[in-house]
Amino acid sequence: DIQMTQSPSSLSASVGDRVTIACRASQTISSYLNWYQQKPGKAPKLLIYAASTLQSGVPSRFSGSGSRTEFTLTISSLQPEDFATYFCQQSYSSPPTFGGGTKVEI
Amino acid sequence: QVQLVQSGAEVKKPGASVKVSCRASGYMFTDYYIHWVRQAPGQGLEWMGRVNPNSGGTNFAQKFQGRVSMTGDTSISTTYMDLRRLTSDDTAVYYCARAASGSAYYSDYWGQGTLVTVSS
Repeated sequence: DIQMTQSPSSLSASVGDRVTIACRASQTISSYLNWYQQKPGKAPKLLIYAASTLQSGVPSRFSGSGSRTEFTLTISSLQPEDFATYFCQQSYSSPPTFGGGTKVEI
Repeated sequence: QVQLVQSGAEVKKPGASVKVSCRASGYMFTDYYIHWVRQAPGQGLEWMGRVNPNSGGTNFAQKFQGRVSMTGDTSISTTYMDLRRLTSDDTAVYYCARAASGSAYYSDYWGQGTLVTVSS
């Protein structure tokens, strides 16, 4: 199985900050990398797919980049509703696997 | 609008089985695979498998082979996930999620989750 490693596991930030989360795959996954946001007690929400394509309805302050094994999720100006946990996921091969998550706290 | 509505919370004893349902609406049910993903308390996300509601075909994570089944009933746009021989390690929230683009291994819509608690 492909291992996905996120860093950091948690971070503290303020409203208006630029935030970057990293995700590394244990082998090349081309651009088959997706990002989800999860708030406590809620289901994950798809933010970005194919490494850099914004899901419909997701604010443009979210962006994704990277390819092969190294990927990043960037929030250009953190908003109060962005405090949540973020997961990366590879969909290159079965089983699809997730990173351990990054909790973004105030 | 696309919606996935799951059945309610369950409490089961070790060794028992649980069946969770996921009713879809707002799209053509047979055009999209359904994934099942679980999340243990305070933990990350774990893919269990997927089902093709049209053909009934399934793919499972190796970890769950022989212990899980996934089925669909097209007449009521509902899929089911059945997990057998439960242990305390199976305590988790179980999510169904629609495969994006029909069969992709990522999901664009998720159910609300079903908490399954395994306790003696």
